[in-house]
Amino acid sequence: DQQVKQNSPSLSVQEGRISILNCDYTNSMFDYFLWYKKYPAEGPTFLISISSIKDKNEDGRFTVFLNKSAKHLSLHIVPSQPGDSAVYFCAASLNRDDKIIFGKGTRLHILP
Amino acid sequence: ETGVTQSPTHLIKTRGQQVTLRCSSQSGHNTVSWYQQALGQGPQFIFQYYREEENGRGNFPPRFSGLQFPNYSSELNVNALELDDSALYLCASSLANRGPGETQYFGPGTRLLVL
Repeated sequence: DQQVKQNSPSLSVQEGRISILNCDYTNSMFDYFLWYKKYPAEGPTFLISISSIKDKNEDGRFTVFLNKSAKHLSLHIVPSQPGDSAVYFCAASLNRDDKIIFGKGTRLHILP
Repeated sequence: ETGVTQSPTHLIKTRGQQVTLRCSSQSGHNTVSWYQQALGQGPQFIFQYYREEENGRGNFPPRFSGLQFPNYSSELNVNALELDDSALYLCASSLANRGPGETQYFGPGTRLLVL
């Protein structure tokens, strides 16, 4: 049973526009959420995180929003750039020290 | 500062065989985690090692075992390979006292195919 769900396998966005990647989770005990980015033939790299006490965290072009009541988080990338084309994994854990549960990923294509 | 490296990059085995995958941690990192990423899935936590001891395990059978060495490098061993073991195996190193999330650095993975 998937505790972290990314229901969109892929997403195409025009360069310069906003990319919005969505993620839902089922375990209300999750306290810490992360996004990872993965290029082909490379391991995932950490992008941004948010703890459950916040509803927004911003780092440059990347912003993560958390809606705890809806058990939903999203990653916004503004503006989208060609180098953003990659697979994005949403992940969650019970706390910062616990194992990380990954979603299946969303492949983002940035169109020229 | 060296990154996380894994060997081999690709491997083909037959059902029933045993396999050993290797990982060298990021310099200064004392914790290593292993993940299995099946096709079309996200990475799934297998186990974590800290100071040469298993420090947490996911939902994987005992035929998945590991070792961590004094230099913090690590091995993942899988016995009695099954077809469903075909996947990308990712190693990630981190600092134990800072949690795995943000400080976790992944290697490029070993792609295992079981025939």
